[in-house]
Amino acid sequence: TQLLEQSPQFLSIQEGENLTVYCNSSSVFSSLQWYRQEPGEGPVLLVTVVTGGEVKKLKRLTFQFGDARKDSSLHITAAQPGDTGLYLCAGDPSGTYKYIFGTGTRLKVLA
Amino acid sequence: NAGVTQTPKFQVLKTGQSMTLQCAQDMNHEYMSWYRQDPGMGLRLIHYSVGAGITDQGEVPNGYNVSRSTTEDFPLRLLSAAPSQTSVYFCASTLAGGHTGELFFGEGSRLTVL
Repeated sequence: TQLLEQSPQFLSIQEGENLTVYCNSSSVFSSLQWYRQEPGEGPVLLVTVVTGGEVKKLKRLTFQFGDARKDSSLHITAAQPGDTGLYLCAGDPSGTYKYIFGTGTRLKVLA
Repeated sequence: NAGVTQTPKFQVLKTGQSMTLQCAQDMNHEYMSWYRQDPGMGLRLIHYSVGAGITDQGEVPNGYNVSRSTTEDFPLRLLSAAPSQTSVYFCASTLAGGHTGELFFGEGSRLTVL
């Protein structure tokens, strides 16, 4: 059972374009995390959002946690080739350390 | 500055063979876990542990065994490998005691079962 659905699954854009990735669930999460994974490596944490409605910025990346804490989004402004990778959302819906991951969004930014 | 170390990085098995994927962390993390990553499926939790002597099942535990005799090590055992277990396996750890902790991942172990 996949509790975290991400969209889109694939995204190929030109350098300089903006994009948004969505992470949706029917379950409430106490927090959600976003990770980026590059080929041949493990995922690396980008951000954790904890409060409903929270917005966090990391340079050109903006993360938002839904008011009901069931969804999150990642917006990238002026994408660069270095943003290429697999983006994963993750959380612990039951508070029992059963961290689950979303289906992933594979982003390719063309120069 | 090792972090989470997984071995081996690559392994090819025949159906029915057994093997152990090793995972070690040097950050004194209480929580350790194993995931498998398949195309279009994200990462799926196999087993996890919140401390030495404590293990529990995740989303896809069938065909895998784990044990946690020390804080540092969390091996994953495949007793009788099947082609459906062909995947990339990741070990991850974090400090327990909070649910917002950053998961630190190893570099992965790519397993092919023929």
